[in-house]
Amino acid sequence: GENVEQHPSTLSVQEGDSAVIKCTYSDSASNYFPWYKQELGKGPQLIIDIRSNVGEKKDQRIAVTLNKTAKHFSLHITETQPEDSAVYFCAASIGGTSYGKLTFGQGTILTVHP
Amino acid sequence: DTGVSQNPRHKITKRGQNVTFRCDPISEHNRLYWYRQTLGQGPEFLTYFQNEAQLEKSRLLSDRFSAERPKGSFSTLEIQRTEQGDSAMYLCASSYSVGDTQYFGPGTRLTVL
Repeated sequence: GENVEQHPSTLSVQEGDSAVIKCTYSDSASNYFPWYKQELGKGPQLIIDIRSNVGEKKDQRIAVTLNKTAKHFSLHITETQPEDSAVYFCAASIGGTSYGKLTFGQGTILTVHP
Repeated sequence: DTGVSQNPRHKITKRGQNVTFRCDPISEHNRLYWYRQTLGQGPEFLTYFQNEAQLEKSRLLSDRFSAERPKGSFSTLEIQRTEQGDSAMYLCASSYSVGDTQYFGPGTRLTVL
């Protein structure tokens, strides 16, 4: 089955700096790659996603890039703010017979220092 | 659109007891997923419903676990004879179609003593 590796496990930055989180996946059939933000005691919240027919997607301070050949995708957060502090998860899914179930990475604890 | 809701939010039980969780998906979402999340890990897929049909189950879902979605709306997840290893956050997500965004509920945190 699909396997998703996420790095780093923890990331500490100063307010205003950029943060980058990287994920690799194993199944070349994966075609949908969402990123979720999870705050303490809450469920994951989608922040951005990308599909395999697109190489890059941007939404204000957040961007995601996808390299299908290398089977990796990355989350980029610019001008970080203390409220960006949370756990971030990447995920991958395969459409069709896998019914879109998500396989998640292990998570990255992002801390933004004021 | 009120989002995905889950009840209860917290459940503490003794080993060997049965527990049941409820998930109410976003209205008109005919796909519903259950995931389990242990401390420091990402969510892991448990099972999936399309309307009332349970179409896929993970090997994580032992025979002590059962899930239903009787009318294609809300879903329940029951764990029989709970074990300490069942302690986790149980998350529910729903989507309108395969490949669409999955929206997660706040989860039910289960603690088995």
